[in-house]
Amino acid sequence: RKEVEQDPGPFNVPEGATVAFNCTYSNSASQSFFWYRQDCRKEPKLLMSVYSSGNEDGRFTAQLNRASQYISLLIRDSKLSDSATYLCVVNPQHGNKLVFGAGTILRVKS
Amino acid sequence: DTEVTQTPKHLVMGMTNKKSLKCEQHMGHRAMYWYKQKAKKPPELMFVYSYEKLSINESVPSRFSPECPNSSLLNLHLHALQPEDSALYLCASSQEASIGTGELFFGEGSRLTVL
Repeated sequence: RKEVEQDPGPFNVPEGATVAFNCTYSNSASQSFFWYRQDCRKEPKLLMSVYSSGNEDGRFTAQLNRASQYISLLIRDSKLSDSATYLCVVNPQHGNKLVFGAGTILRVKS
Repeated sequence: DTEVTQTPKHLVMGMTNKKSLKCEQHMGHRAMYWYKQKAKKPPELMFVYSYEKLSINESVPSRFSPECPNSSLLNLHLHALQPEDSALYLCASSQEASIGTGELFFGEGSRLTVL
């Protein structure tokens, strides 16, 4: 089983739609969780951290479910500029290693 | 614009060549990383330097040789590469030696083609 698994998509949604991605992780001792965004032929950039209590940043909401070992990202009112690959990232233990999921492709169309 | 600068942006080399990729950051970050990314795949960790010392080597073949001359610079020396080593090589840095916040700052990458 992969350490971090994501549905690769693509998710094709119209502008204004709400879309959600899930990501599962295998190591129950994992401590830190993040969503990164990567545009085509660009470098990954941190979108948001995922806290146990869940967190929201504008149109983006991230949640963690430790019991089921998954994290989620909800995007409301999708914009064309949200089109990108969303990478689920997990720190399996305290230290310098982050494990990246394969990414979920989102395409927002007008 | 990224605050991690990588050169060259593109590199084409033969299997017998020796070349180097360079990375620089002036954010005072204490850890620097090399990742390899193939098309439609996630970044894969290669090396981590903390306080200028190699702390993680993910069993990378010796034809890749990292070097950290000082806290701002990170090099990746390449020698006798194979065509399957063609990929985007991403340098990253983080403020703390331990990725507590998870924020890695990536450079734009060096796209390597091995002929």
